[in-house]
Order: sequence, then structure tokens, then C-alpha cells
Amino acid sequence: QSVLTQPPSVSGAPGQRVTISCTGSSSNIGANYEVHWYQQLPGTAPKLLIYGNTIRPSGVPDRFSGSKSGTSASLAITGLQAEDEADYYCQSYDSSLSVIFGGGTKVTVL
Amino acid sequence: EMQLVESGGGLVKPGGSLTLSCAASGFSFGSYTMNWFRQAPGKGLAWVSSISGSGTYIHYADSVKGRFTVSRDSAKDSLYLQMNSLRVDDTAVYYCARNLGAIHPNNWFDPWGQGTLVTVSS
Repeated sequence: QSVLTQPPSVSGAPGQRVTISCTGSSSNIGANYEVHWYQQLPGTAPKLLIYGNTIRPSGVPDRFSGSKSGTSASLAITGLQAEDEADYYCQSYDSSLSVIFGGGTKVTVL
Repeated sequence: EMQLVESGGGLVKPGGSLTLSCAASGFSFGSYTMNWFRQAPGKGLAWVSSISGSGTYIHYADSVKGRFTVSRDSAKDSLYLQMNSLRVDDTAVYYCARNLGAIHPNNWFDPWGQGTLVTVSS
């Protein structure tokens, strides 16, 4: 069971907006540790998508955006595309457990 | 182009040993903390170990402490993970990744290698 809680799956039609939540606690996200997001396409390694809660690395489309509030964070994908079908993981730090990840969310494009 | 390439995975019996390697290129390897992660089949990501650029600071997840040893060779731009007393639940794809972020512990990881599969089975 992961320290950060994500929904197992979300889905949307092409062009729609989907959001993925990442819920933590006062010992991780709520302790003001940053949240980062990774995209893992089928059969490939994770790829950095968002760092520092809201920052997109160079080359990441601006339809991906991150936010954080209190003990939770969210990843939004606007204008959903077929190539966005992947697993998405949030990552942060916990004062007792070091680096932590969410359990992952599978995004399906209908 | 920055690149990390893992090798050394394979099939090993419970109680056995294996050493993974991660070859880095395209960045100043010795300047960065490096990490090992793993992903069990059909499961999520888990941090395994980290080693500072100088090799001075080393950390392990509780699940591997005392069994795994991380090391690095800056002359070869390579990272290693020696795994002893392997258990069935160590079966996973193992990834190496570079540590980024100026202020610990607000670190993130990029790039990641392609991964190497370790299967522990009798």
C-alpha cells in the first residue's frame, strides 16, 4: 500500500480534460515537501513530467499541468490525446520513509 | 544526450547474488547523486538506494538494508548495485536515475535508464 494515494484509473475522450489526484498526509505533502510527476508509457521507463509541484521540463507539452494544495496534489491533462495513454505516478518525500511514490494511475483514452 | 543504461539483470535462485550496473553518459556523472529504483511486475515504483556524487552519503530502503550495497566508479561513469541474499519479493525491473533538485529532500529524478529485469525464483 503506497503512502501517497492515487486513483487506480481515469479515462476520458480525446480532447477532454482529466485530472489525477495524489493524496498524502502531514508527514509528506502537507509538510511542504514538493510533488513531482512521472509518465510511464507501456513497456518503457518512467519519464519526468512535472517537478517542483508545477514546473514542466523542456519538451513536455503545456497541456500537462501540476498543482498542490494542503496535503494533496493534482496532475491535469487538457486536450487529452491517444499518446497520453500511460501510467502516471506522483512522488514526494516523507519525513519517516524517504522518497515515496503514489501507487500509479492508468489513463485510458476512450 | 544524457543517457543511463542498466545491465546485469537475470534469473537467480533465492539466496543468490547479482550485481547490476548503470553506465552514464552525456552529463557530469561525478557531480550528481544517483539512485536505484525498482518496479515489481504490475506494481508501482519504489526507491531502493541512493549514493552521493562523492560516494560519501549512502542510503537504503529498509527492505534492502543489509542485503544490497550501492557503489559508484566516477572513472568509469558507472553506478552499481550489489544484491545479496535475494528473495522472491526482490523480483522487479531495476532502474537507475539521476537526482535533481538543489534543496534536499525536494529532489526529483531525471533521466531514468531503460531498466533491467531481476527475477528471483527457484
